[in-house]
Formats: sequence, C-alpha cells, structure tokens
Amino acid sequence: GEDVEQSLFLSVREGDSSVINCTYTDSSSTYLYWYKQEPGAGLQLLTYIFSNMDMKQDQRLTVLLNKKDKHLSLRIADTQTGDSAIYFCAEIRTTSGTYKYIFGTGTRLKVLA
Amino acid sequence: DSGVTQTPKHLITATGQRVTLRCSPRSGDLSVYWYQQSLDQGLQFLIQYYNGEERAKGNILERFSAQQFPDLHSELNLSSLELGDSALYFCASSAASGSGADTQYFGPGTRLTVL
Repeated sequence: GEDVEQSLFLSVREGDSSVINCTYTDSSSTYLYWYKQEPGAGLQLLTYIFSNMDMKQDQRLTVLLNKKDKHLSLRIADTQTGDSAIYFCAEIRTTSGTYKYIFGTGTRLKVLA
Repeated sequence: DSGVTQTPKHLITATGQRVTLRCSPRSGDLSVYWYQQSLDQGLQFLIQYYNGEERAKGNILERFSAQQFPDLHSELNLSSLELGDSALYFCASSAASGSGADTQYFGPGTRLTVL
C-alpha cells in the first residue's frame, strides 16, 4: 500500500532508551529519513540512512535498517525531556524520474521525568 | 531557525474563499516543497518546484496551485476553500533538485483555519 506506518505513541522514562519503529513500502527507496517535530514548529531533519547501509550512528541516535522486512528504526540513547516531540520517518519514492517524499504517520514520544 | 520563512503564521478565512501562502527558501536553495499536515491525513507532500519549474507533484488538489518566482520564493494558492482544507501548511527548501540526500529544511508553517 501507500502508507508508511508508525506506532502513534511511545512513553519512556528520562535516561532510558527510546526505540521508534517504521515500516515503509517502497523497496527501491534509496534514502530513508527521520524528522523531529516539536510543538508549534516545523520538521527538523535528524538523520538519514542510505539503503545500502544496515546501521548508522550519530551521537545518541542509532538508525537500523532491515531492507528485507522494509523496517526502519530510530533508537535514542539516554532520552531527555527535550526529546519529547513527534518523530516522522520518510521514504523517497521515485515515479517517472521524479522524487516524492512520503512521510509516516508520526510517533509522539513523551519522556517522563 | 531553519532559514526558511513562511507568511502568514495564521490565516482564518471562510469557505469558498481563496488564500495565498508565501514561502522564502533558505539563501541559495533552489527547490521549494509544499506539504499539508492535518490530523486525519498526516503529513502529505503537495508539490515541488526547482529553479522555477514544477519538479514533482504529490496529492495536490486541482483547487490548489503553486508557483516559484525568479527570486525563488514560492506561493501556494488555495481556492474554493472547504472546511477540510484547515491544516498546517509547511514549506521546505533544499539546495538541489531533491534526489537522494538533498536535505529538506522546513519552515515554521502557516496554520489555515477555514470556518
């Protein structure tokens, strides 16, 4: 189908790790992205992974990609209250030579102090 | 601050009306993208312009149109507005034509309320 799917909510305690999951649809997607949206703000690119990689680490963020299952995850180590936000995964789809970003439904992360 | 500016921040209008949303991309960016974010539809890609030309089209209604001007700013025109058009409209910009890891930088959005 068309949809990029994510679970809607995740709640973790400060200092714990958070894992946000995403299932995408287009096996030919070359890049997959994670964006963060804080209340009242636009989307901020957190990280991206190229499709020939299994893992990418960037400070507290670890992205895992399972191409066979079309599954993408974002792990946030030592989660802080400032990490509370909505997290969107996105895939890039190619149709007739043009590129289109398809965003997931978003996961609302709540970090409890 | 992403460097992408959008005006106005808020817009309240009535059904049947027409509005124009404006976006200025980051300095040097050639691509502008428009997205609609609503509670029921999530974040939907509408359209992309690259250096003045339409580059990619998403779920944009026929009542909506956009353009990118020679100075690279873009306008999104929404006409015959319906209640369901109430949403947050985001503009994003990127340096190149949008392929691969061409990072998109998002503006703060325009909140449109149709009464």
